[in-house]
Amino acid sequence: QSVLTQPPSVSGAPGQRVTISCTGSSSNIGADYDVHWYQQLPGTAPKLLIYAASNRPSGVPDRFSGSKSGTSASLAITGLQAEDEADYYCQSYDTSLSGSVFGGGTKLTVL
Amino acid sequence: EVQLVESGGGLVQPGGSLTLSCAASGFTFSSYEMNWVRQAPGKGLEWVSYMSSSGSTIYYADSVKGRFSMSRDNAKSSLHLQMNSLRAEDTAVYYCARDYDSSGRFDYWGQGTLVTVSS
Repeated sequence: QSVLTQPPSVSGAPGQRVTISCTGSSSNIGADYDVHWYQQLPGTAPKLLIYAASNRPSGVPDRFSGSKSGTSASLAITGLQAEDEADYYCQSYDTSLSGSVFGGGTKLTVL
Repeated sequence: EVQLVESGGGLVQPGGSLTLSCAASGFTFSSYEMNWVRQAPGKGLEWVSYMSSSGSTIYYADSVKGRFSMSRDNAKSSLHLQMNSLRAEDTAVYYCARDYDSSGRFDYWGQGTLVTVSS
């Protein structure tokens, strides 16, 4: 059971828009700690995709965007492409655990 | 170019010990906080431990507290994870990750090293 809750899977056709939710609590996202998102392609290490809820590192396409409200955050991907098929993880800090926490991960399938 | 290269993984019996290392290059290692994150086969990411840039502050996940010990050698730009009393549930790929700005933003990750705990 992960501290941050994500849907196990989402899917969409090429060109469509999908969103992935990340629900936390008052000891992590709700405590105003930053939320970050990672993309993990099959067989590779995770890659930082979105940081501090809505910022993209250099090189990440603007098709990826993030937002945060209250105890939740979300990742949106527009103009789905086949290469977006991957696992996506949200992450924050939890004050009661004194450490980082990850969501359980969401597998994105591009139909 | 920032690089993190883990080593030391392998097969170990339950109750055994193993030490992982992470060699850093391409940045001023002593200026950054570092973390270990693991991923069991077919499972999600699990944060394992954190160390401040000076090494004076360390945090561990409850699942490894008392069994794992994190250390760093800033002179050699290296990070280590001493793992004792290993259990089957510690089987995972272990990644070292750089913490960009103390917000938990892991901006660079190594390629990972596989630890298998089995008899």
